[in-house]
Amino acid sequence: DTEVTQTPKHLVMGMTNKKSLKCEQHMGHRAMYWYKQKAKKPPELMFVYSYEKLSINESVPSRFSPECPNSSLLNLHLHALQPEDSALYLCASSQRRGLIYSIQYFGAGTRLSVL
Amino acid sequence: DAKTTQPNSMESNEEEPVHLPCNHSTISGTDYIHWYRQLPSQGPEYVIHGLTSNVNNRMASLAIAEDRKSSTLILHRATLRDAAVYYCTYNNNDMRFGAGTRLTVKP
Repeated sequence: DTEVTQTPKHLVMGMTNKKSLKCEQHMGHRAMYWYKQKAKKPPELMFVYSYEKLSINESVPSRFSPECPNSSLLNLHLHALQPEDSALYLCASSQRRGLIYSIQYFGAGTRLSVL
Repeated sequence: DAKTTQPNSMESNEEEPVHLPCNHSTISGTDYIHWYRQLPSQGPEYVIHGLTSNVNNRMASLAIAEDRKSSTLILHRATLRDAAVYYCTYNNNDMRFGAGTRLTVKP
């Protein structure tokens, strides 16, 4: 099973709402990633978790709050978002952070619209 | 961060070979070169990776220059399903994407 599952596939939220994105993998990977992708642009790295600990935060605004409750699960909590945060949010995993030959596996993404 | 240069877009005819170039002049001696692609409405997917010698798999071939400052992804017979944005990177420790090449395949 080389699947990274993201839910929900689509999400519409108001600027005062609180919502969460979920990502799950069962490949035994210990590195997990969140990316943001705007239309016609490449994915931008947001957060990296290694062994359930936050390793990288690419200066992401605090209205995005990641969480890695266990080795299979990654959440992204959203609060007080702005319309410009509307984008495709991608999750990925890889075997270990630091293995330079390691392959990343991506989910299909959650398409978020902020009204 | 990995610094790569790729053409913005390329076109190919169906069933013809496609050569997608990438320059990575600041690569270090231990960095693997990775290629991913993103089909419409999907997340990126792994295509191929290599260190020094040329590599082949069921999807593509990777030709790496002797000085490792450039590489070429080769699709031997492009199909309509190969239409995608292709990204190369050489620092896959934490995957950071460049702009990529948008490949259009014409029937």
